[in-house]
Amino acid sequence: DGGITQSPKYLFRKEGQNVTLSCEQNLNHDAMYWYRQDPGQGLRLIYYSQIVNDFQKGDIAEGYSVSREKKESFPLTVTSAQKNPTAFYLCASSWTGRPNTEAFFGQGTRLTVV
Amino acid sequence: KNEVEQSPQNLTAQEGEFITINCSYSVGISALHWLQQHPGGGIVSLFMLSSGKKKHGRLIATINIQEKHSSLHITASHPRDSAVYICAPYTGNQFYFGTGTSLTVIP
Repeated sequence: DGGITQSPKYLFRKEGQNVTLSCEQNLNHDAMYWYRQDPGQGLRLIYYSQIVNDFQKGDIAEGYSVSREKKESFPLTVTSAQKNPTAFYLCASSWTGRPNTEAFFGQGTRLTVV
Repeated sequence: KNEVEQSPQNLTAQEGEFITINCSYSVGISALHWLQQHPGGGIVSLFMLSSGKKKHGRLIATINIQEKHSSLHITASHPRDSAVYICAPYTGNQFYFGTGTSLTVIP
């Protein structure tokens, strides 16, 4: 079955450490996205990529980095420069440039920095 | 500036009630998703709409592109419908998200 997989579901890290969240899809989607969700707030765009080896910053990219070396994979690194990294992180994928595009969403990773 | 406005923010209903959640957006879209998020965080896409109306079981979603408005209806609500429902317009390049409607259905 096609789908999008995020791992791990829960992640704990010490303050000052970088941490990488995984997102893999086997839907042959062009576009992949990373969002952050804080309590009481909507999902906010961190980074997105519409093609391999290319990505764009979203609204809250500071303190994060991404790579898109393969179409299937879009890992997100939360760096030590991110001032408040504890949050729920959600990955999504979709086709681009097509009308009526359906998106698929991962199960999310809840990151807690202590 | 919020591109997506949802109402109500919180909703409590008795089991069996008919529920409506509204979404207004300001961006030009190619499609709109309604998402469901259960406690624990996982998100599921319930509907993808670009016009008219769709129905899956007890769930109905409608969209009026000219008025930039969509609604999600739940008929005969059940406690298992308790979740956060999120409206997500898609522009063709990116998604925008509402802050969600937290629904609690009481037995």
